[in-house]
Amino acid sequence: QVTLKESGPGILQPSHTLSLTCSFSGFSLSTYGMGVSWIRQPSGKGLEWLASIWWNGNTYNNPSLKSRLTVSKDTSNNQAFLKVTSVDTADTATYYCAHTLGSSYTFDYWGQGVMVTVSS
Amino acid sequence: DIKMTQSPSSLSASLGERVTISCRASENINNYLSWYQKKEDGSVKLLIYHTSRLQPGAPSRFSGSGSGKDYSLTISGLESEDIATYYCQQGYTPPLTFGSGTKLEIK
Repeated sequence: QVTLKESGPGILQPSHTLSLTCSFSGFSLSTYGMGVSWIRQPSGKGLEWLASIWWNGNTYNNPSLKSRLTVSKDTSNNQAFLKVTSVDTADTATYYCAHTLGSSYTFDYWGQGVMVTVSS
Repeated sequence: DIKMTQSPSSLSASLGERVTISCRASENINNYLSWYQKKEDGSVKLLIYHTSRLQPGAPSRFSGSGSGKDYSLTISGLESEDIATYYCQQGYTPPLTFGSGTKLEIK
Protein backbone atom coordinates (compact mmCIF):
# COMPACT_ATOMS: atom_id res chain seq x y z
CA GLN A 1 0.00 0.00 0.00
CA VAL A 2 1.46 3.29 -1.14
CA THR A 3 1.10 6.25 1.20
CA LEU A 4 2.65 9.71 1.18
CA LYS A 5 2.53 12.54 3.69
CA GLU A 6 3.77 16.09 3.34
CA SER A 7 5.14 18.21 6.16
CA GLY A 8 6.19 21.83 6.26
CA PRO A 9 6.39 25.04 8.27
CA GLY A 10 2.75 26.12 7.91
CA ILE A 11 3.61 29.80 7.69
CA LEU A 12 6.72 31.67 6.62
CA GLN A 13 7.74 35.20 5.74
CA PRO A 14 8.27 36.64 2.27
CA SER A 15 11.77 36.25 0.84
CA HIS A 16 12.43 33.19 3.00
CA THR A 17 13.00 29.64 1.76
CA LEU A 18 10.21 27.10 1.94
CA SER A 19 11.30 23.58 2.85
CA LEU A 20 8.89 20.68 2.49
CA THR A 21 9.30 16.99 3.23
CA CYS A 22 7.43 14.09 1.67
CA SER A 23 7.58 10.91 3.76
CA PHE A 24 6.37 7.83 1.95
CA SER A 25 5.93 4.08 2.27
CA GLY A 26 4.97 1.22 -0.01
CA PHE A 27 7.61 1.89 -2.65
CA SER A 28 11.30 2.69 -2.99
CA LEU A 29 12.68 5.69 -4.84
CA SER A 30 15.56 3.50 -5.95
CA THR A 31 13.23 1.31 -8.04
CA TYR A 32 13.47 1.79 -11.80
CA GLY A 33 10.76 4.05 -13.18
CA MET A 34 9.60 5.46 -9.85
CA GLY A 35 9.42 9.11 -9.06
CA VAL A 36 7.98 11.62 -6.62
CA SER A 37 6.47 14.86 -7.83
CA TRP A 38 5.42 18.07 -6.15
CA ILE A 39 2.18 19.78 -7.14
CA ARG A 40 0.53 22.82 -5.58
CA GLN A 41 -2.85 24.48 -5.58
CA PRO A 42 -3.44 28.06 -4.44
CA SER A 43 -6.86 28.56 -2.90
CA GLY A 44 -9.50 28.92 -5.62
CA LYS A 45 -7.05 28.13 -8.41
CA GLY A 46 -5.95 25.10 -10.37
CA LEU A 47 -3.28 22.48 -9.92
CA GLU A 48 0.29 23.36 -10.86
CA TRP A 49 3.06 20.80 -11.30
CA LEU A 50 6.27 22.03 -9.72
CA ALA A 51 8.94 19.35 -9.99
CA SER A 52 9.71 15.64 -10.10
CA ILE A 53 12.63 13.54 -8.90
CA TRP A 54 13.30 10.09 -10.29
CA TRP A 55 14.79 6.82 -9.12
CA ASN A 56 18.09 7.66 -10.84
CA GLY A 57 18.38 11.10 -9.24
CA ASN A 58 17.31 13.03 -12.33
CA THR A 59 15.03 15.97 -11.72
CA TYR A 60 12.59 17.99 -13.81
CA ASN A 61 11.52 21.44 -12.67
CA ASN A 62 8.73 23.63 -13.97
CA PRO A 63 10.53 26.41 -15.84
CA SER A 64 7.81 28.89 -14.78
CA LEU A 65 9.45 29.00 -11.36
CA LYS A 66 12.84 29.48 -12.96
CA SER A 67 15.65 28.46 -10.63
CA ARG A 68 13.72 28.81 -7.37
CA LEU A 69 13.06 25.08 -7.00
CA THR A 70 15.29 22.33 -5.69
CA VAL A 71 14.13 18.74 -5.31
CA SER A 72 16.12 16.02 -3.59
CA LYS A 73 15.63 12.63 -2.00
CA ASP A 74 16.84 10.41 0.82
CA THR A 75 16.25 6.93 -0.52
CA SER A 76 17.29 5.10 2.61
CA ASN A 77 14.74 7.00 4.72
CA ASN A 78 11.97 7.05 2.08
CA GLN A 79 11.77 10.83 1.87
CA ALA A 80 11.72 13.45 -0.84
CA PHE A 81 12.25 17.17 -0.37
CA LEU A 82 11.28 20.41 -2.05
CA LYS A 83 12.87 23.79 -1.47
CA VAL A 84 11.41 26.99 -2.87
CA THR A 85 13.57 30.07 -2.48
CA SER A 86 12.52 33.72 -2.24
CA VAL A 87 8.86 33.00 -1.52
CA ASP A 88 6.17 35.63 -1.78
CA THR A 89 2.41 35.67 -1.23
CA ALA A 90 1.86 34.03 -4.62
CA ASP A 91 3.45 30.87 -3.20
CA THR A 92 0.66 30.51 -0.64
CA ALA A 93 -0.96 27.20 -1.52
CA THR A 94 -1.63 23.62 -0.56
CA TYR A 95 1.40 21.57 -1.57
CA TYR A 96 1.08 17.90 -2.51
CA CYS A 97 3.60 15.20 -3.15
CA ALA A 98 2.64 12.30 -5.38
CA HIS A 99 4.09 8.98 -6.47
CA THR A 100 4.79 9.30 -10.17
CA LEU A 101 5.12 6.72 -12.92
CA GLY A 102 8.00 7.61 -15.19
CA SER A 103 6.52 5.74 -18.13
CA SER A 104 3.56 8.09 -18.39
CA TYR A 105 4.13 10.95 -15.97
CA THR A 106 1.01 9.84 -14.10
CA PHE A 107 0.50 10.79 -10.45
CA ASP A 108 -1.04 7.58 -9.17
CA TYR A 109 -0.93 8.18 -5.41
CA TRP A 110 -1.15 11.54 -3.64
CA GLY A 111 -0.45 12.76 -0.15
CA GLN A 112 -3.09 14.62 1.82
CA GLY A 113 -1.46 17.97 1.12
CA VAL A 114 0.03 20.58 3.44
CA MET A 115 -1.09 24.18 3.59
CA VAL A 116 1.64 26.81 3.34
CA THR A 117 0.96 30.49 3.96
CA VAL A 118 3.45 33.21 3.06
CA SER A 119 2.78 36.27 5.17
CA SER A 120 4.67 38.98 6.97
CA ASP B 1 4.02 24.43 -22.76
CA ILE B 2 0.98 22.31 -23.62
CA LYS B 3 -2.21 24.07 -22.60
CA MET B 4 -5.10 21.93 -21.38
CA THR B 5 -8.56 23.40 -21.87
CA GLN B 6 -11.24 21.71 -19.81
CA SER B 7 -15.01 22.14 -20.11
CA PRO B 8 -17.37 22.83 -18.59
CA SER B 9 -15.91 24.61 -15.57
CA SER B 10 -18.93 23.57 -13.51
CA LEU B 11 -21.70 21.07 -13.97
CA SER B 12 -24.90 20.30 -12.13
CA ALA B 13 -26.44 16.88 -12.70
CA SER B 14 -29.00 14.55 -11.15
CA LEU B 15 -28.21 11.29 -9.38
CA GLY B 16 -28.09 8.47 -11.90
CA GLU B 17 -27.42 10.81 -14.80
CA ARG B 18 -24.63 10.24 -17.32
CA VAL B 19 -22.03 13.01 -17.13
CA THR B 20 -19.26 13.87 -19.58
CA ILE B 21 -16.32 16.24 -19.07
CA SER B 22 -14.09 17.30 -21.94
CA CYS B 23 -10.43 18.19 -22.16
CA ARG B 24 -8.58 19.56 -25.18
CA ALA B 25 -4.81 19.81 -25.46
CA SER B 26 -3.11 22.53 -27.48
CA GLU B 27 -1.24 19.81 -29.37
CA ASN B 28 -1.33 16.04 -29.88
CA ILE B 29 -0.52 14.33 -26.56
CA ASN B 30 -0.62 10.76 -27.90
CA ASN B 31 -3.10 9.47 -25.30
CA TYR B 32 -0.91 10.52 -22.35
CA LEU B 33 -3.94 11.86 -20.54
CA SER B 34 -4.99 11.21 -16.95
CA TRP B 35 -8.07 12.19 -14.94
CA TYR B 36 -8.08 13.03 -11.23
CA GLN B 37 -10.80 13.54 -8.66
CA LYS B 38 -10.30 16.12 -5.92
CA LYS B 39 -12.73 16.14 -3.02
CA GLU B 40 -13.58 19.06 -0.73
CA ASP B 41 -11.42 17.55 2.03
CA GLY B 42 -8.43 18.04 -0.27
CA SER B 43 -7.87 14.39 -1.12
CA VAL B 44 -6.86 13.64 -4.70
CA LYS B 45 -7.27 10.32 -6.50
CA LEU B 46 -6.25 9.06 -9.92
CA LEU B 47 -9.26 7.72 -11.81
CA ILE B 48 -8.08 7.14 -15.38
CA TYR B 49 -4.63 7.03 -16.95
CA HIS B 50 -3.42 6.71 -20.53
CA THR B 51 -6.79 7.98 -21.75
CA SER B 52 -8.92 4.96 -20.87
CA ARG B 53 -7.22 2.72 -18.32
CA LEU B 54 -9.14 2.52 -15.05
CA GLN B 55 -6.94 2.91 -11.98
CA PRO B 56 -7.36 -0.11 -9.65
CA GLY B 57 -9.87 0.79 -6.97
CA ALA B 58 -11.65 3.42 -9.07
CA PRO B 59 -15.36 2.66 -9.64
CA SER B 60 -16.19 1.11 -13.00
CA ARG B 61 -18.77 3.83 -13.70
CA PHE B 62 -15.82 6.05 -14.63
CA SER B 63 -14.49 5.72 -18.15
CA GLY B 64 -12.24 7.71 -20.44
CA SER B 65 -11.85 8.07 -24.17
CA GLY B 66 -10.19 10.21 -26.78
CA SER B 67 -7.16 10.58 -28.98
CA GLY B 68 -4.91 13.24 -30.45
CA LYS B 69 -5.90 16.52 -28.80
CA ASP B 70 -9.42 15.66 -27.55
CA TYR B 71 -10.32 13.58 -24.52
CA SER B 72 -13.30 12.99 -22.27
CA LEU B 73 -14.24 11.52 -18.91
CA THR B 74 -17.67 9.93 -18.50
CA ILE B 75 -19.50 8.97 -15.33
CA SER B 76 -22.22 6.49 -16.27
CA GLY B 77 -24.66 6.95 -13.44
CA LEU B 78 -23.80 9.79 -11.08
CA GLU B 79 -23.62 8.90 -7.40
CA SER B 80 -23.54 11.28 -4.44
CA GLU B 81 -19.94 10.33 -3.64
CA ASP B 82 -18.89 11.66 -7.07
CA ILE B 83 -19.32 15.25 -5.90
CA ALA B 84 -15.84 16.67 -6.47
CA THR B 85 -13.71 18.69 -8.86
CA TYR B 86 -12.22 16.76 -11.77
CA TYR B 87 -8.93 17.59 -13.49
CA CYS B 88 -7.31 16.33 -16.64
CA GLN B 89 -3.50 16.24 -16.95
CA GLN B 90 -1.18 15.66 -19.85
CA GLY B 91 1.79 13.37 -19.28
CA TYR B 92 3.20 13.61 -22.78
CA THR B 93 5.99 16.06 -22.05
CA PRO B 94 7.20 18.35 -19.24
CA PRO B 95 6.19 20.83 -18.04
CA LEU B 96 3.31 18.61 -17.00
CA THR B 97 0.07 20.57 -17.14
CA PHE B 98 -3.45 20.29 -15.81
CA GLY B 99 -6.82 21.46 -17.02
CA SER B 100 -8.51 24.16 -14.97
CA GLY B 101 -10.98 21.73 -13.41
CA THR B 102 -14.68 20.88 -13.57
CA LYS B 103 -16.68 21.26 -10.38
CA LEU B 104 -19.46 18.68 -10.30
CA GLU B 105 -22.55 19.28 -8.17
CA ILE B 106 -25.81 17.46 -7.60
CA LYS B 107 -28.91 19.07 -9.07
